[in-house]
Amino acid sequence: NAGVTQTPKFQVLKTGQSMTLQCAQDMNHEYMSWYRQDPGMGLRLIHYSVGAGITDQGEVPNGYNVSRSTTEDFPLRLLSAAPSQTSVYFCASSGGSEDTQYFGPGTRLTVL
Amino acid sequence: GQSLEQPSEVTAVEGAIVQINCTYQTSGFYGLSWYQQHDGGAPTFLSYNALDGLEETGRFSSFLSRSDSYGYLLLQELQMKDSASYFCAVQHQAGTALIFGKGTTLSVSS
Repeated sequence: NAGVTQTPKFQVLKTGQSMTLQCAQDMNHEYMSWYRQDPGMGLRLIHYSVGAGITDQGEVPNGYNVSRSTTEDFPLRLLSAAPSQTSVYFCASSGGSEDTQYFGPGTRLTVL
Repeated sequence: GQSLEQPSEVTAVEGAIVQINCTYQTSGFYGLSWYQQHDGGAPTFLSYNALDGLEETGRFSSFLSRSDSYGYLLLQELQMKDSASYFCAVQHQAGTALIFGKGTTLSVSS
């Protein structure tokens, strides 16, 4: 099993550009989530999904969209990138609400 | 909403014991988790407490008191490789994703 994979590993955007961060898992997990990590702020929940077709907002959802068309994939879309979205983004999956969260390696995004 | 408080930094020497405390506020409680993150890496799961008491996993133990909204992570026989950030976390309101504390940076010296 590859576990949780994220692409790209690094990305530089200009203000106003849009892009999609990809996340995939091969563990047949129902639960997937996106976090951003900034220095001194820990990990903050952006959006999450409890299954295909079901998504909901976390702590800091503004400026981001998600969709869950399959169990395996949970892409995160930045609609119009802003410098405040410069961060490290982690995707995670779990088999249930009390299960261990498995994190991907992260995407390091810089918005100029 | 939920919030968690933990110390920002802890230092210790090899072979010592260190305790990282975490207090939380949450409207619905589904358990307290602990994650470890080395510089530049992804968080990895360490421990989970749903009920009061102590859970032991090798050199690491985690404790929970639901009446005090408090837990701690205990690391014994510290090694240099334990230098990392440690996060406590509770389930999000819907009980599906995690809300994390800001993390405690542990520095282990020789």
